[in-house]
Amino acid sequence: DGGITQSPKYLFRKEGQNVTLSCEQNLNHDAMYWYRQDPGQGLRLIYYSQIVNDFQKGDIAEGYSVSREKKESFPLTVTSAQKNPTAFYLCASSTASYGYTFGSGTRLTVV
Amino acid sequence: SQQGEEDPQALSIQEGENATMNCSYKTSINNLQWYRQNSGRGLVHLILIRSNEREKHSGRLRVTLDTSKKSSSLLITASRAADTASYFCATDWGAAGNKLTFGGGTRVLVKP
Repeated sequence: DGGITQSPKYLFRKEGQNVTLSCEQNLNHDAMYWYRQDPGQGLRLIYYSQIVNDFQKGDIAEGYSVSREKKESFPLTVTSAQKNPTAFYLCASSTASYGYTFGSGTRLTVV
Repeated sequence: SQQGEEDPQALSIQEGENATMNCSYKTSINNLQWYRQNSGRGLVHLILIRSNEREKHSGRLRVTLDTSKKSSSLLITASRAADTASYFCATDWGAAGNKLTFGGGTRVLVKP
């Protein structure tokens, strides 16, 4: 089955700790995206990548970092500089001007 | 910001009734898309309407686009309990292509 896989489903972060969220797709899509969703809110763009080895900041990139070394993979690191990281993180991929395919999300909580 | 705004924020209807929600945006777009999100899940793409289209249908879904008013509507006909979800509009507006900006969503409750 083609799809996009996010892991882990739940993640707990201690103060001052960096954590990495995984996103893998086997759809052969060129573009990949990371969004953050807060309770009862819409999605806000963190980073996006349209081709391998290239990525761009979105609207709320501060405190986050990404890499795109392979077409299939677009991991997101939430650094200690992100002061309010508790949220639901969604990864998506797309090709040309078509709809996004989303993963099932990672819920990150600061403990 | 280019963010779309959905209206209403929440909607409660009986099974079998129609549900209509609206989306407004601020600047010219390449296309507008609607997504559904069940609680705690990822989003599912429902329909894409391009800026030169006025209406599209997909099963029980009907989407309209009025670029002069910078607005779109999503109609779900003959709603079912399984349609209970949040619905988001998203606009593709930049030269970068297919970078979407999402609205805040409409939460729909379909009562059996």
